[in-house]
Amino acid sequence: GAGVSQSPSNKVTEKGKDVELRCDPISGHTALYWYRQSLGQGLEFLIYFQGNSAPDKSGLPSDRFSAERTGGSVSTLTIQRTQQEDSAVYLCASSLVGEGTGHTEAFFGQGTRLTVV
Amino acid sequence: GEDVEQSLFLSVREGDSSVINCTYTDSSSTYLYWYKQEPGAGLQLLTYIFSNMDMKQDQRLTVLLNKKDKHLSLRIADTQTGDSAIYFCAERGTDKLIFGTGTRLQVFP
Repeated sequence: GAGVSQSPSNKVTEKGKDVELRCDPISGHTALYWYRQSLGQGLEFLIYFQGNSAPDKSGLPSDRFSAERTGGSVSTLTIQRTQQEDSAVYLCASSLVGEGTGHTEAFFGQGTRLTVV
Repeated sequence: GEDVEQSLFLSVREGDSSVINCTYTDSSSTYLYWYKQEPGAGLQLLTYIFSNMDMKQDQRLTVLLNKKDKHLSLRIADTQTGDSAIYFCAERGTDKLIFGTGTRLQVFP
């Protein structure tokens, strides 16, 4: 596709339910990022995938959060037993170069707005 | 660890210059970025600077980097109402991008 695609664009879920958020990066991009943007907050780093390397999960806020990237392309962020504080916009970004010294432009999707009621 | 900080709000009059500041902690940062997020839209790259540069100018945008103080600024000349948005600075060290808290720029007539 032309850009980073995220689905769904909006998701309302009941507290305690599991949700899956999907990200389709730009074809050929080896690096993929997930961020969370809460109301009035900045961009909180969640997880980073680069090629075949082990993902950097240092930003995941709890063990209820997990992410996969299958075949080096599509990624799914899963939140188990959702809580109200999980309500936020979840942003995905991809870039061509994730390591080394080259300039990297990260292209962002439109985000998934998650509301936990 | 890595940390990037920005002031939360800036309000300027149309036609004036805006200066958005950012401090970061990772001295190994190779590139520093400014992203813009317009209301209801995703983030878009505005400009970037390599860590061995002090300044970069791109039309109305001027980026200043003080590597010693780990301070980055974005100056927007002749600020327009269309510049109203949230501006994020970001640093990239060895791998991932770390973003700041974002500065909401409001431009009033």
